[in-house]
Amino acid sequence: AQSVTQLDSQVPVFEEAPVELRCNYSSSVSVYLFWYVQYPNQGLQLLLKYLSGSTLVKGINGFEAEFNKSQTSFHLRKPSVHISDTAEYFCAAPRNTGRRALTFGSGTRLQVQP
Amino acid sequence: DAGVTQSPTHLIKTRGQQVTLRCSPISGHKSVSWYQQVLGQGPQFIFQYYEKEERGRGNFPDRFSARQFPNYSSELNVNALLLGDSALYLCASSLSQGAPNTGELFFGEGSRLTVL
Repeated sequence: AQSVTQLDSQVPVFEEAPVELRCNYSSSVSVYLFWYVQYPNQGLQLLLKYLSGSTLVKGINGFEAEFNKSQTSFHLRKPSVHISDTAEYFCAAPRNTGRRALTFGSGTRLQVQP
Repeated sequence: DAGVTQSPTHLIKTRGQQVTLRCSPISGHKSVSWYQQVLGQGPQFIFQYYEKEERGRGNFPDRFSARQFPNYSSELNVNALLLGDSALYLCASSLSQGAPNTGELFFGEGSRLTVL
């Protein structure tokens, strides 16, 4: 079964600075990976997904992620963050083939400071 | 178009009580999934329903049950509440039963349950 690990529980960053949120995965089968964002008091929203093809995936709100098979990583990046990016970010993957459910990492809280 | 709607948004129960949470999926979506999100953790999968049948179940005790109605709305029931059941319960809908595997889940804002 796939599992995902988010290495940082909190990431403070100043506005307009670049940011990277780290995610590592384990898998012995095909790899699908996702990043979701949860704004305060809201549900989760899909930011981007990797299913196959180009290893650099672009998502909404200027975020992108790079799938790295050799390092089993799927780190999320943004070159310049805004106050409005303050939220909880979750890396996720399918639980296992046929289960049709996602397993989520423990989350990284991005705190953008002025 | 309305997104996934959940009710109630907040509720407080005491240990041993029972609770029912409700979810209405996006129009046209036939699959509903339930997740539990304990404070400080990622969501944990509880159930998936598709066409009124249970299609998947996570590692939760039998105190947790759910059902899906002909209009594709869903209810999650938790019996004999424990303090550890305090969490945000998220409902997610998708077009097909396989959609979660490709990340196409649309989440509601959740029902926050506090057990005292």
